[in-house]
Amino acid sequence: EAGVAQSPRYKIIEKRQSVAFWCNPISGHATLYWYQQILGQGPKLLIQFQNNGVVDDSQLPKDRFSAERLKGVDSTLKIQPAKLEDSAVYLCASSGISGRAQSGETQYFGPGTRLLVL
Amino acid sequence: GDSVTQMEGPVTLSEEAFLTINCTYTATGYPSLFWYVQYPGEGLQLLLKATKADDKGSNKGFEATYRKETTSFHLEKGSVQVSDSAVYFCALSESAGKSTFGDGTTLTVKP
Repeated sequence: EAGVAQSPRYKIIEKRQSVAFWCNPISGHATLYWYQQILGQGPKLLIQFQNNGVVDDSQLPKDRFSAERLKGVDSTLKIQPAKLEDSAVYLCASSGISGRAQSGETQYFGPGTRLLVL
Repeated sequence: GDSVTQMEGPVTLSEEAFLTINCTYTATGYPSLFWYVQYPGEGLQLLLKATKADDKGSNKGFEATYRKETTSFHLEKGSVQVSDSAVYFCALSESAGKSTFGDGTTLTVKP
């Protein structure tokens, strides 16, 4: 079974530029998550999708970050314009064989995209 | 809101030593609890989990027991190996799968 795919793996941009990350979850997983992991910290949830609807985006900085999951499969996370403090690893995870995310479900993580903003 | 506090690292042990990594949590409801591990150069993966109080999760010689009375989920292993060197994250998940992670504990095991 293929895992969660993410691209690119690394990205270096200058501040005020825009960047986009792509994620393809495990086939059949209804729930998709985007996390931001700053060096030395744990992953912080940015947004959670259930199929193509947003379940939670309370920690997404909506003035610069946006995400979509059209058709309920793969997803794109965009930052525009980027700031220095956006330097982090952006993780995508998926879960939800049952079709609806539940408390005890395991999340399966992709390898992440490492972003450096100069 | 929900929070997870992990024992600060890094932790350095000799092979075959006993490991404990402390984890305590704050949650409004009755969360599920997880330990995820990140080996060097790899992505996060589930190590073990427990979904209700007094449950014990176990995998690869690691164990953790869900203690509601102390709001804890400490990770233990009786005899660590060099291959256990990794970053360990404690996490909780409330309803609808929303997860909160600790800041991770780096474990280095020396031969």
